[in-house]
Amino acid sequence: AQSVTQLGSHVSVSEGALVLLRCNYSSSVPPYLFWYVQYPNQGLQLLLKYTSAATLVKGINGFEAEFKKSETSFHLTKPSAHMSDAAEYFCAVSDHGGSQGNLIFGKGTKLSVKP
Amino acid sequence: EAQVTQNPRYLITVTGKKLTVTCSQNMNHEYMSWYRQDPGLGLRQIYYSMNVEVTDKGDVPEGYKVSRKEKRNFPLILESPSPNQTSLYFCASTGASMNTEAFFGQGTRLTVV
Repeated sequence: AQSVTQLGSHVSVSEGALVLLRCNYSSSVPPYLFWYVQYPNQGLQLLLKYTSAATLVKGINGFEAEFKKSETSFHLTKPSAHMSDAAEYFCAVSDHGGSQGNLIFGKGTKLSVKP
Repeated sequence: EAQVTQNPRYLITVTGKKLTVTCSQNMNHEYMSWYRQDPGLGLRQIYYSMNVEVTDKGDVPEGYKVSRKEKRNFPLILESPSPNQTSLYFCASTGASMNTEAFFGQGTRLTVV
């Protein structure tokens, strides 16, 4: 069965610093991977997704993620953090042939951005 | 506007009193799901539905029921709520294609006392 592990429940960076949020997956089939963001008191919003077309995936708000099969990783990065990036981030894998109908989520990483 | 609407947003209830959280989507999506979010545990799937009259258990289905009589609606029913069901609940919908984004509702914060 598929699963995802997010390393670090809390990450704190300074404004302007690199953001790196880690996600490793376990899957017996080629995975479809996603990053979602949750701002306070809101639902989840898709940041980006990997569906085998390209290993480097660009998303919204300057985020990107690289799929590395050899490392079973899909880490999320952003070159320069903004205060508005403070949120909780979830990595997810699709359990249903790519459709996001049946997503398995990691436990989340809360990103804090210091001025 | 594409939307998933959950009601109510906040609910405080007592142990054992049946309740229903409604979820409706306006995108004609096939898939709908319910998740609960708890600190340190991420989102865990309760139930999902692949189409009308087709539902299946997720990872944490105990104590919950669902139904899918119409494509747009997917209510979550707690027949006899208990305090361990205090949580933040999200409904989501998505189309069958892998290129279809999953849309999430705003969440329902449930407290069972």
